[in-house]
Amino acid sequence: GAGVSQSPSNKVTEKGKDVELRCDPISGHTALYWYRQRLGQGLEFLIYFQGNSAPDKSGLPSDRFSAERTGESVSTLTIQRTQQEDSAVYLCASSEGQGFSYEQYFGPGTRLTVT
Amino acid sequence: GENVEQHPSTLSVQEGDSAVIKCTYSDSASNYFPWYKQELGKRPQLIIDIRSNVGEKKDQRIAVTLNKTAKHFSLHITETQPEDSAVYFCAANGDSSYKLIFGSGTRLLVRP
Repeated sequence: GAGVSQSPSNKVTEKGKDVELRCDPISGHTALYWYRQRLGQGLEFLIYFQGNSAPDKSGLPSDRFSAERTGESVSTLTIQRTQQEDSAVYLCASSEGQGFSYEQYFGPGTRLTVT
Repeated sequence: GENVEQHPSTLSVQEGDSAVIKCTYSDSASNYFPWYKQELGKRPQLIIDIRSNVGEKKDQRIAVTLNKTAKHFSLHITETQPEDSAVYFCAANGDSSYKLIFGSGTRLLVRP
């Protein structure tokens, strides 16, 4: 079946502009994660959605970052007033449920470049 | 919170040799330790994981060992092949049932 998809695959934006990144999880997956991966670094947890529960936003680096998810479907990550340090690959992952019995399946990522 | 350190940052081995990547963690509450492989320009993929109730797990040429006392765990790849070339990430969960803290990655190069 279809895997996790993300769009756009690449985004170049000017400093100060807002950007919106999209993630389509695997159908039926209730859990959805967003990560940031800076060049040469590991994955940094940003936010977690599980079903209709309140999301865990503890990884969002500033109030310029926000994310939404409608039910158990598409999620969008919004970065307002982008800064150069926001340049990174933003990865989305989904899993069938909460907990590590369920593997996280990653999308291909969105490469964001802030000029 | 949890902190995961990973070494080495780069590793070059001859095809057929073994490769070992080591990680240490800080939070004794961690009980789940996955390893991900990320080929150049591709998405991370889970290759093996271990839980704190076992000390070692093997899957063909890949094995992971865990030392809870010392708070470190290692990935062992035997009989390396060029297609093993990738960046490998370790992770630990701290006291979370869903959140992972990742190491900074090891770039493995297998020379033919």
